[in-house]
Order: sequence, then structure tokens, then C-alpha cells
Amino acid sequence: KAGVTQTPRYLIKTRGQQVTLSCSPISGHRSVSWYQQTPGQGLQFLFEYFSETQRNKGNFPGRFSGRQFSNSRSEMNVSTLELGDSALYLCASSFFDEQFFGPGTRLTVL
Amino acid sequence: EDQVTQSPEALRLQEGESSSLNCSYTVSGLRGLFWYRQDPGKGPEFLFTLYSAGEEKEKERLKATLTKKESFLHITAPKPEDSATYLCAVQAETGANNLFFGTGTRLTVIP
Repeated sequence: KAGVTQTPRYLIKTRGQQVTLSCSPISGHRSVSWYQQTPGQGLQFLFEYFSETQRNKGNFPGRFSGRQFSNSRSEMNVSTLELGDSALYLCASSFFDEQFFGPGTRLTVL
Repeated sequence: EDQVTQSPEALRLQEGESSSLNCSYTVSGLRGLFWYRQDPGKGPEFLFTLYSAGEEKEKERLKATLTKKESFLHITAPKPEDSATYLCAVQAETGANNLFFGTGTRLTVIP
């Protein structure tokens, strides 16, 4: 069974730009969650989507948004990038409680 | 507020030297406690889920246990390939699916 895939794996952007990251969950999983991982803050929850609806949201500014499509694939968007947005962005898919993570997208903001 | 504290921050062991990692948690109703392993540059790899105090789970050289306030990850006779960061996370009973993570224990096993 294929795991969670994320594209792209690496991104370099400049301040003020926007970025879209993509996540394809494990087949049959309808819940997709997004996390930001930084050396200082560790893993922090961004939001969760289930059946195309945002079910839960973490404490991040409105510049961070997401959506889920009918095939459960999900995208997250970050607008007006700031230097502090440099991080590893992880997507996790789940069927029940257990969440399985993808390899992440490494975003660097210059 | 949900809180997860992992200790130690870093641990160096000789190959074969058993030890335990600690995860202390505060959560308003525990739905589940999760252990993950993360290698550099990769996403976390799921290891265990524990749901109630007294529960134990094992996988190869790893054994996870749970009490009402903390969880331990015991590593028996570790090998160099066990070197990684071990993350603990809790999920609350609120119905939300998000995990609240600790900052991890970075384990190095020396041959």
C-alpha cells in the first residue's frame, strides 16, 4: 500500500510570495492533517480536513489556509511569506486515530 | 492547556545498553498517546498507540507503557540503527483529531 506523498519535497521562496503544497493521503484515508515542524517549536498542528471540510484548526494566522478535494487529496497555501515560515511542512493521513506522515516539504523563505 | 514534556532531550547509549525515554503529559481527557520515530529529513514514522493506563505494546527492541500521567519507551539492547528522534504526542477526547507533540528525545546509539 502506497504511503502518504507530498510534493514538492523542497521549495525556496522569497518574502512576500505565496506557496502551495500538495498532499496525497493513503488510499481509503479521508482525514488529512497538516503540521509545521521547526527546530524551535517542534511539530505544531495547522489544520485538519475530513471529507472536504475543515474539521479543526490550530493557532496559526489566516495566511495559512488549506483545502481538500473529493479524492481526499489536500493542498495548503501560505500567502505573504515571512522568514519565520521556513520549516518542514508535514501532512498526515488517518483512517481512525493513527496518523501516518508523509516525508514533508522543506520550505525555505529568503 | 495540553502539554507534553519529553526527557531527556538527548541520550547517548552504547550498543546493547538498555534505557528508557520519558513522556509526561497533561491533557483534558486522554483519547490516545502516540509514539513516533523520526529520522533526519524524514517524516515521523508511527510506532505505537496507547489508550489506557496499564497498557503496554512491544515492537522488536521497543516497548511502550502508559500510566495516568506519563509514558515510557523502553529500548532493550539498542543497535546503531535505533538512532533517531523519538516523538511522543497526545490526542485529547475533545473529538478533534489533532496531535499535540513533545519536542522529542534524540537518541544516539554508539557501536
